[in-house]
Amino acid sequence: EIQLQESGPGLVKPSQSLSLTCSVTGYTITSGYDWSWIRKFPGNKMEWMGYISYSGSTNYNPSLKSRISITRDTSKNQFFLQLNSVTTEDTATYYCARGDAWGQGASVTVSS
Amino acid sequence: DVVLTQTPPTLSATIGQSVSISCRSSQSLLHSNGNTYLHWLLQRPGQSPQLLIYLVSRLESGVPNRFSGSGSGTDFTLKISGVEAEDLGVYYCVQGTHAPLTFGSGTKLEIK
Repeated sequence: EIQLQESGPGLVKPSQSLSLTCSVTGYTITSGYDWSWIRKFPGNKMEWMGYISYSGSTNYNPSLKSRISITRDTSKNQFFLQLNSVTTEDTATYYCARGDAWGQGASVTVSS
Repeated sequence: DVVLTQTPPTLSATIGQSVSISCRSSQSLLHSNGNTYLHWLLQRPGQSPQLLIYLVSRLESGVPNRFSGSGSGTDFTLKISGVEAEDLGVYYCVQGTHAPLTFGSGTKLEIK
C-alpha cells in the first residue's frame, strides 16, 4: 500500500523560503505517475502547486512559477517542495499527492 | 484558469437520505483525447482528501457504491444514495483537462 508523508518546518518567516519533504513508501516514484504538491488555505480553497513526473520533468502552476521548485531524491524515494519569498498568504496545509493517494498534510504558518 | 462552481456550499442530510452535489465548469472538460478529467474527492474532518470518483463516473477501489458520478461537458453531479454517518466532510470536484489543475470551492456535508 502506498503511503506519503510530508515533513518540514511548521513556521516560516515572511520573505524566507518554505521547504517540505514528501517521503513515499510502497511505490517507487520513478515507476510512474506525477507527484504533486497541493495546498489548502484556511477555509476550503485548494490550490494545485505543481508536480514532478516519474521521469523527472516538472510542471508548475503559473501563479507560482517564479517562486516554486519541485525536486526529488530517487535514492531516498522522496520529492521536495521549495517556495521562495513567502508571505502570510502562503499560510496553508501542504499536501503531497499521487492522484489516488495523499499524505496527511503539513500545516505551515508564515509569520514573523 | 478553469473555474469550477460547486453547489450547494453546505448540505445537511439525515442518515439514509439521498443527496446530490453539482459541479459546473467555466469550460468544457472534454479533452481532445476523448476523456473527461473530472474527479471527486472527500475530505473527512481531520483527514487528508481521498479520491472517490475519477473520470466523471468511475468508482475508486474501495469506495462504497452508494457514491456515483455523472455528467458531461460543463455540468457534473455527485450523488450519494443513502447517506451514512461516515460521509460527513467536504466534497471537492477537481478538473485535470485544462492546465493548471483546479478545484471546486467545496461542499460541506453535515449529518442531521
